[in-house]
Amino acid sequence: QSALTQPPSASGSPGQSVTISCTGASSDIGGSNYVSWYQQHPGKAPKLIIYEVSKRPSGVSDRFSGSKSGNAASLTVSGLQTEDEAEYYCNSFSGSNTWVFGGGTKLTVL
Amino acid sequence: VHLVESGGALVQPGGSLRLSCEASGFTFGSYWMHWVRQAPGKGLVWVSRIKNDGSGASYADSVKGRFTISRDNAKNTLYLQMNSLRVEDSAVYFCARDLALYCTPTSCYQLLAFDIWGRGTLVTVSS
Repeated sequence: QSALTQPPSASGSPGQSVTISCTGASSDIGGSNYVSWYQQHPGKAPKLIIYEVSKRPSGVSDRFSGSKSGNAASLTVSGLQTEDEAEYYCNSFSGSNTWVFGGGTKLTVL
Repeated sequence: VHLVESGGALVQPGGSLRLSCEASGFTFGSYWMHWVRQAPGKGLVWVSRIKNDGSGASYADSVKGRFTISRDNAKNTLYLQMNSLRVEDSAVYFCARDLALYCTPTSCYQLLAFDIWGRGTLVTVSS
């Protein structure tokens, strides 16, 4: 149950796009289409923004998109807005009915 | 749709604590539920899952054998019994609902993501 690997930080200017990577293994991301992403603002509960690799829950902006290739997943935030500044976490269903999160990426909107 | 955690406290190493998570606004007994924790200033860590009927409990290696997840569907409440607590168990503990594609009156087709979260309850393990 090793944590997925995310870059600690990412940044972009308003209107730009930024992509956050999430690297795992064949036992989690590589072997599962149950990859999800969460946005967390300081002091708040996480919010689901992507599930099943690339699907958005109702009410989540289409500026958020997800993809997966091999043992890695990625989240792209396009048309950056100041309210997108937050911590982002990836998650994958793993073996033996367990789940694993990434370490988190702090997104700064410059 | 709401989840409200309670039971967090300051406890000494080796002690025990039981967390509760009260659900409202949805058919609690149809959904899988999870516990996720977050140490101060750190990332999210999945802790445990329980299926809708109380079966299928699974745990992170770090808590296996010390923590027990359970639920009372009649009371719309999820629990986490934490024993042999360690300093490294200190964290905000969130309960979270497993996202469902669709539900019948008794179960849901789960999508293995966490769509509804509580605000969390703080557990501090310190002497």
